[in-house]
Amino acid sequence: EVQMVESGGGLVQPGGSLRLSCAASGFPFGYFWIYWVRQAPGKGLVWVSRIKTDGSGIAYADSVKGRFTISRDDAKKTLYLQMTSLRVEDTAVYYCARDAGRGGDLDYWGQGTMVTVSS
Amino acid sequence: DIVMTQSPDSLTVSLGERATINCKSSQSVLYSSNNKNYLAWYQQKPRQPPKLLIYWASTRESGVPDRFSGSGSGTEFTLTISSLQAEDVAVYYCHQYYNSPHTFGQGTKLEIK
Repeated sequence: EVQMVESGGGLVQPGGSLRLSCAASGFPFGYFWIYWVRQAPGKGLVWVSRIKTDGSGIAYADSVKGRFTISRDDAKKTLYLQMTSLRVEDTAVYYCARDAGRGGDLDYWGQGTMVTVSS
Repeated sequence: DIVMTQSPDSLTVSLGERATINCKSSQSVLYSSNNKNYLAWYQQKPRQPPKLLIYWASTRESGVPDRFSGSGSGTEFTLTISSLQAEDVAVYYCHQYYNSPHTFGQGTKLEIK
């Protein structure tokens, strides 16, 4: 069974840092592109970042470029999102999601981890 | 960035009736080399992650009931639920993955009348 489990969320002050993790199981993690997508409370879905296989093909939304860093450890089957210089507007549930391998639709999602940026 | 606009923002439909949600992209998401539209639909129920329903605009994901169907091409797309069931109450999102950054529609909230 495919599973993706996020962790690392919490309450952080503006300007602070946080590292999210996404532990995957049930599929050959290293063969798949993985994404981070976030959802602010009561709002819609927003694409944050993507990493292709072997850690190549990294892309970021303009809103997080220069502040967030995506990475992966295929041996540990884990995806990471290092978030620095956090802003109030980064408050959201952060989901990791698997690219289905058909061009970019996302076929498996984790349950999400909540990040709250507040003083 | 490609802007995805859904309509309506909310929809109330009686059980057993048809529900139709529209999605328009600011530029075509049809990839000419394979003639596929890079457009997906997701269903999100409260306190749950999104669930993939449709990819390539009209291909149903494995396990999705056949009352869900997708249509359209280029810049205009539709998600149809042929006979609404109580468990279909959710927010529905379209998603273009034609180019980066991927973008989502604002969501359509579907409720029972």
